[in-house]
Amino acid sequence: SQKIEQNSEALNIQEGKTATLTCNYTNYSPAYLQWYRQDPGRGPVFLLLIRENEKEKRKERLKVTFDTTLKQSLFHITASQPADSATYLCALPNNAGNMLTFGGGTRLMVKP
Amino acid sequence: EAQVTQNPRYLITVTGKKLTVTCSQNMNHEYMSWYRQDPGLGLRQIYYSMNVEVTDKGDVPEGYKVSRKEKRNFPLILESPSPNQTSLYFCASSLGYNSPLHFGNGTRLTVT
Repeated sequence: SQKIEQNSEALNIQEGKTATLTCNYTNYSPAYLQWYRQDPGRGPVFLLLIRENEKEKRKERLKVTFDTTLKQSLFHITASQPADSATYLCALPNNAGNMLTFGGGTRLMVKP
Repeated sequence: EAQVTQNPRYLITVTGKKLTVTCSQNMNHEYMSWYRQDPGLGLRQIYYSMNVEVTDKGDVPEGYKVSRKEKRNFPLILESPSPNQTSLYFCASSLGYNSPLHFGNGTRLTVT
C-alpha cells in the first residue's frame, strides 16, 4: 500500500541552527512533491513544490531536495528562528495524479 | 484578498442532525477538496471536485456528501452525523489538481 512517512517525534533545535526534516514514501511514483507549514488550529500553508526532474529547490531560507531513487525528500530551514516553529507536512499526488495525500507531519520547535 | 472561507469555524451538534459546512473561494480555482484532520491520522481527503458538477470520492468519503453547483462553492454535507465524525475539517482549492492547495482556516466539528 502507499505510505508517506514523516518523523512523528518533534524536532527541537536551537535558534540559528539548520533544521532538517525528512519525508519518505513507498509505492508512489510522484511527478512532484510539496511541502506545507501548519500552525496550531490553522490550515496548512503551501511552501515549496519540487518536481521529479529537480534535485533541489530553494526559497529564501528554505531548501528542498528530492531523491526519487531513495524515495525521499529532505526539507531544510537554515538560520532557524523561533517563528519557524510549526508542523511541516509533505504531500504527494497519488499514482492517478488526481488527489494530494499528506504525510503525518513533523513538529519543529526552535528554541531561542 | 485571495482566500478560502469556511463556515462555521466551530460547530457542536448531536448525532443524526443534518448539517452543512460551507466553503467558498474567490480565486476562480477549478479544483476544490475537503479534508479531515485527526490526531495520529493526519490529513485525509474526503471528497474532491475537478470542476462544476464533477465530484469524486477521496480516501474517507463514508458519511459525507458534497456538491459543486457553482465554481466558487463546495459545501460539505453530513446527512446523519455520528460521533466518529468529530474532527477538524479543512476545505482547500487550487488552479488544478497538480497545483498547490490553498486551505481555509478549518471547521472544528463536535458530534455528541
